[in-house]
Amino acid sequence: DAMVIQNPRYQVTQFGKPVTLSCSQTLNHNVMYWYQQKSSQAPKLLFHYYDKDFNNEADTPDNFQSRRPNTSFCFLDIRSPGLGDAAMYLCATSREGSGYEQYFGPGTRLTVT
Amino acid sequence: QKEVEQNSGPLSVPEGAIASLNCTYSDRGSQSFFWYRQYSGKSPELIMFIYSNGDKEDGRFTAQLNKASQYVSLLIRDSQPSDSATYLCAVKDSSASKIIFGSGTRLSIRP
Repeated sequence: DAMVIQNPRYQVTQFGKPVTLSCSQTLNHNVMYWYQQKSSQAPKLLFHYYDKDFNNEADTPDNFQSRRPNTSFCFLDIRSPGLGDAAMYLCATSREGSGYEQYFGPGTRLTVT
Repeated sequence: QKEVEQNSGPLSVPEGAIASLNCTYSDRGSQSFFWYRQYSGKSPELIMFIYSNGDKEDGRFTAQLNKASQYVSLLIRDSQPSDSATYLCAVKDSSASKIIFGSGTRLSIRP
């Protein structure tokens, strides 16, 4: 089945220790998104790639970076995680030419100690 | 600032009844509208999308769109306890390849 895969599902990191979350997709969608979601809040868009074009949201902290080496993979790097970065990180994909409906991976739950 | 507004709830509905969830949006140029269901601790799951004014039915779910009023709704017929979740309304940004989420309505189906 075509899908969006995120690894790891659970990540524990120490305050200030860099961490990388990964996302892969078999849907062959050209747009990929990273969201941060905290408890009882809507998903907050951090950035998205339209093909190789990177689009950063204005309020995304510099601490968050992303890479998309090819169509299938996308990475989220948190350079110096703080306690406030503990959240669920969601990867989603969509396809140009559709209505841009997004399909989400299962998420990575990040804990910062 | 483009916004999507939803009542946060909780909305409590008896089993077997119709649950009605509502959403308004500010981006008048939006053309695509979505409803996602999110269970606690899980990722959002797309359950309906609608592009044209009127109703769209899929099983027990009906999405309704009124672009003139900038209003989207979701009806769930014959509500089941498994429908208890947070429902996120989302609207395609008319000037970017992204969607804008509402804050979600928490729905509880009571037996």
